[in-house]
Amino acid sequence: SQTIHQWPATLVQPVGSPLSLECTVEGTSNPNLYWYRQAAGRGLQLLFYSVGIGQISSEVPQNLSASRPQDRQFILSSKKLLLSDSGFYLCAWRSKLNTEAFFGQGTRLTVV
Amino acid sequence: AQKITQTQPGMFVQEKEAVTLDCTYDTSDPSYGLFWYKQPSSGEMIFLIYQGSYDQQNATEGRYSLNFQKARKSANLVISASQLGDSAMYFCAMRERESGGSNYKLTFGKGTLLTVNP
Repeated sequence: SQTIHQWPATLVQPVGSPLSLECTVEGTSNPNLYWYRQAAGRGLQLLFYSVGIGQISSEVPQNLSASRPQDRQFILSSKKLLLSDSGFYLCAWRSKLNTEAFFGQGTRLTVV
Repeated sequence: AQKITQTQPGMFVQEKEAVTLDCTYDTSDPSYGLFWYKQPSSGEMIFLIYQGSYDQQNATEGRYSLNFQKARKSANLVISASQLGDSAMYFCAMRERESGGSNYKLTFGKGTLLTVNP
């Protein structure tokens, strides 16, 4: 069966520090991968999605970047965090066969 | 422009009653898909129901049904016989083809917070 791992679960980082959140998927190949952010009390904002290795689409210009170095690995990064980067980050994967998306457990990031 | 619109920031329903959560969408892709997800306070995203744009019948999954009105571009979620455990944030989402491309992306609405009262 397919599983998705996302870590860490919580993270407190100082302003200006770098960020790296990792997401890996098991049990499937060539998935579509997504990074979402959910600010407190608000909806999900699509940040990046990827349809293959090295292919990244950015939805919103921001202080973040994403990379897909391997088929089932999706990384969200920042060189210098801002206070506004605080939020709940969710990684998701979806098969290209048009099924629903499956989400990781999320990372709650607090920038202080 | 908003691709997915959920006009109800919050909804209240009495236990055992039915409730409808609204969702309208906008897309030019004829082959799209619509989803509803539930997010309890723990933060996890739970898939509830899916409706494809070419599906002739409304999707149903247990107590969940999707009232799909294609001409009006609406995909409302109906929860029958509400339970206390249904209290959560509910998101409508749409899968559509990227403009000018062959890839799909998944976009979410802002969500509706449902509270079930005993």
